[in-house]
Amino acid sequence: GQQVMQIPQYQHVQEGEDFTTYCNSSTTLSNIQWYKQRPGGHPVFLIQLVKSGEVKKQKRLTFQFGEAKKNSSLHITATQTTDVGTYFCAGPSSNTGKLIFGQGTTLQVKP
Amino acid sequence: EPEVTQTPSHQVTQMGQEVILRCVPISNHLYFYWYRQILGQKVEFLVSFYNNEISEKSEIFDDQFSVERPDGSNFTLKIRSTKLEDSAMYFCASRVLGSSSYNEQFFGPGTRLTVL
Repeated sequence: GQQVMQIPQYQHVQEGEDFTTYCNSSTTLSNIQWYKQRPGGHPVFLIQLVKSGEVKKQKRLTFQFGEAKKNSSLHITATQTTDVGTYFCAGPSSNTGKLIFGQGTTLQVKP
Repeated sequence: EPEVTQTPSHQVTQMGQEVILRCVPISNHLYFYWYRQILGQKVEFLVSFYNNEISEKSEIFDDQFSVERPDGSNFTLKIRSTKLEDSAMYFCASRVLGSSSYNEQFFGPGTRLTVL
């Protein structure tokens, strides 16, 4: 079945450094969604990318969707302690809209 | 801002007991989902529900699991005879009617199920 893989699993950075997480799907995606989960919290939707090669920005966060619509990345510029959490990519699978999540990248930011 | 709510926040049960996890999706949403997350692992799809019936279920969702929408607001997940490996965080999610590929899902805060 469809698999979504993410790397790295963990990332520790110094506050102010940049951070990137990469997501790869075994199949072509109609869209990719990114969620953030704070420690002890629940997944919260960040963004959805739909078009091949699409790039979207939210303040210090930059999201990219690959040309083949099988990979995506999230880049955070100048991390802050508020960026701490686990970032998941997720692709819809089937017409029921169920999401297949990647393993997530847990970001720790040292002040 | 509307949100998905779940009760209880934490449920402790003995192996073999039945548990019911409750969710109240956002009122104008029509697709409902249950996911689970074992501690430290990724979020896994269990079941999707639309128009008062299961639209899709995963391999995890075996005969011990069932879902129900008993009234116009609640959406429940029942585990008939819990096993140790059912210990996890269970998230309910919902989304509006529309293309399945183009709508974010709103997650509830989760119920942490501990099976002893």
